Amino acid sequence: NAGVTQTPKFQVLKTGQSMTLQCAQDMNHEYMSWYRQDPGMGLRLIHYSVGAGITDQGEVPNGYNVSRSTTEDFPLRLLSAAPSQTSVYFCASSLDSRIYGYTFGSGTRLTVV
Amino acid sequence: KNEVEQSPQNLTAQEGEFITINCSYSVGISALHWLQQHPGGGIVSLFMLSSGKKKHGRLIATINIQEKHSSLHITASHPRDSAVYICAVPGETGNQFYFGTGTSLTVIP
Repeated sequence: NAGVTQTPKFQVLKTGQSMTLQCAQDMNHEYMSWYRQDPGMGLRLIHYSVGAGITDQGEVPNGYNVSRSTTEDFPLRLLSAAPSQTSVYFCASSLDSRIYGYTFGSGTRLTVV
Repeated sequence: KNEVEQSPQNLTAQEGEFITINCSYSVGISALHWLQQHPGGGIVSLFMLSSGKKKHGRLIATINIQEKHSSLHITASHPRDSAVYICAVPGETGNQFYFGTGTSLTVIP
């Protein structure tokens, strides 16, 4: 099925560990973004990409890295996990969010202990 | 500073009630989006609208561009409507989306 695929769905990390959240889309969307969702706060942009080889920081980029080597994939790396990074993470893609909005992945629930 | 404000934050309704969720925004927009998120679930797009009104089944979304306000209405609410409803507007470049904090709706049978 076409859409945005995120893996894993759940993850528990120890403080200081690193990991990569995977995101892939098969709709040939140029725009891809990572958001985190915390209780009482709206979705906040971590990093985004407007095409292969192009990435930029969003509102809350510290502690996260991204790369975009292909149009399809946009992984999010946590360099050294901290409890403050406990959150639900969503990947989203779009042809142009001003016109079409975003297609969201199903989310990754991350707990850092 | 919040570009998008939603109200109420939480809403409990009896099955069959008419429900209204409000969204006010401060940025200039090309279109406003209403999203739905079921407990533990992903986020799906309900509406995208830039003027007037749209209707899908029991859901109706309206927008007043001059007043920078949108409403989402649910007629004859049902327990399966229980979810978080999120209002979102794109930023100027299209790379940034501004999200409301969401309205958590619970419909009781």
